[in-house]
This record gives sequence, structure tokens and C-alpha cells, in this order.
Amino acid sequence: SAVISQKPSRDICQRGTSLTIQCQVDSQVTMMFWYRQQPGQSLTLIATANQGSEATYESGFVIDKFPISRPNLTFSTLTVSNMSPEDSSIYLCSVNAGGTDNYGYTFGSGTRLTVV
Amino acid sequence: AQSVSQHNHHVILSEAASLELGCNYSYGGTVNLFWYVQYPGQHLQLLLKYFSGDPLVKGIKGFEAEFIKSKFSFNLRKPSVQWSDTAEYFCAASPYNQGGKLIFGQGTELSVKP
Repeated sequence: SAVISQKPSRDICQRGTSLTIQCQVDSQVTMMFWYRQQPGQSLTLIATANQGSEATYESGFVIDKFPISRPNLTFSTLTVSNMSPEDSSIYLCSVNAGGTDNYGYTFGSGTRLTVV
Repeated sequence: AQSVSQHNHHVILSEAASLELGCNYSYGGTVNLFWYVQYPGQHLQLLLKYFSGDPLVKGIKGFEAEFIKSKFSFNLRKPSVQWSDTAEYFCAASPYNQGGKLIFGQGTELSVKP
């Protein structure tokens, strides 16, 4: 299965600032997914990022708040913009190494974000 | 809307007790199903998955799950839990032809007393 390197692993940020999270995969993958896990809650999909096209956002998430880049088949970034304390969460990237076959989802180790 | 529901928020068991965690999904078409585990301070790990075929799937660490299509269920079981099974367990569904996204249940926290 794919191996994902995600960084930073944690950060404490001031409200109103932005943080960019990076996700590097050791193999080429078609789709990359960004999730949020709020304290004590389950994972919620933020968006799906395909190389060469705009990311597809889930209901409740917008590009201005969570811009995503996907410059190639092994890398993606998620930016959390104009942060507020409500953005304090764990953010995870995930890949499906089987492309659209729904096989082999792998998750990064997550970025624990605290906004003060 | 598509959703995944886990029946139990927090389960407390003694070692050697049997475990069954409920999971139901709401999607009428073909769906792939997963159980993930998150140990304290660690990232998600895949326990097992169901795509097709035998509805009883076996995963790592002695876990198994049974897909019952008529009940839209995918319950996780283990005959005898260990203290090291203490973790958060997430059921997830990936509806076919929906871009590969995973829809997660709320999670069940399992605490195993030694």
C-alpha cells in the first residue's frame, strides 16, 4: 500500500492566520482526499483532489476557506485560511492507491491544529 | 443523504469478553465497507474491508465482520478482546461510482479492562 508523509504533524496558530498542510505520497495516485477530525468526533471529508483539475468540495466546505493544490500525482496541499478556534482539528490526507477501484485507502498521520 | 451509523458511542469490556460493534449504512446501491481502528495517539489503520463475495470477512488481529445486505449492516466482531484492543473503531462506506470517497460513522470508543 502507499506510504503518506504529512506535515506538519502539529501546529499552534494565531486566529486570522493561515496554515498550509502538505501531503506527499510515495507512488502516483489519481485521487487524494482531505479529511477533518474535530475533537471527539469522526472524520468528515473536506474535498477530493484530482491532479489537473479543481478540487471537489463537500457540503459545508468552500474553496476560499480550504484552498487545495494538486500539482502532480504524488503531492497535495490543503490550506486552512483565516483560522478561528473552531478550526482546531486534526486534518488528514488519504489516498486510494487503487484509483477508482476503492481499494487500499491509506491515511497520513494527520496534522493536529490548535488555533488560539 | 448517505450516512453511516455506529450504534455504540462507548463500549467497556473486560478482557476475554466477546465484542460486537454495530454499523449500518444508508445507501441503496453497491457499496464497499471498511472498519478502521485508531489506537491512542496513532493514525488510522485498516482492520478489514468488504468489496464482494463471502459476506464474512476476516481482518487483522482476530477481527471479523459480516455484511448483511438486507439489513444494510456490517458489524464488527471479535470472540475474545484483549487490553491492547482499547482504541477507537470507525466504520466507513464507499458508495460505488462516487469518486472513491469514504463516509465515516461516528466512531465507537472501546475500553478493555485488564
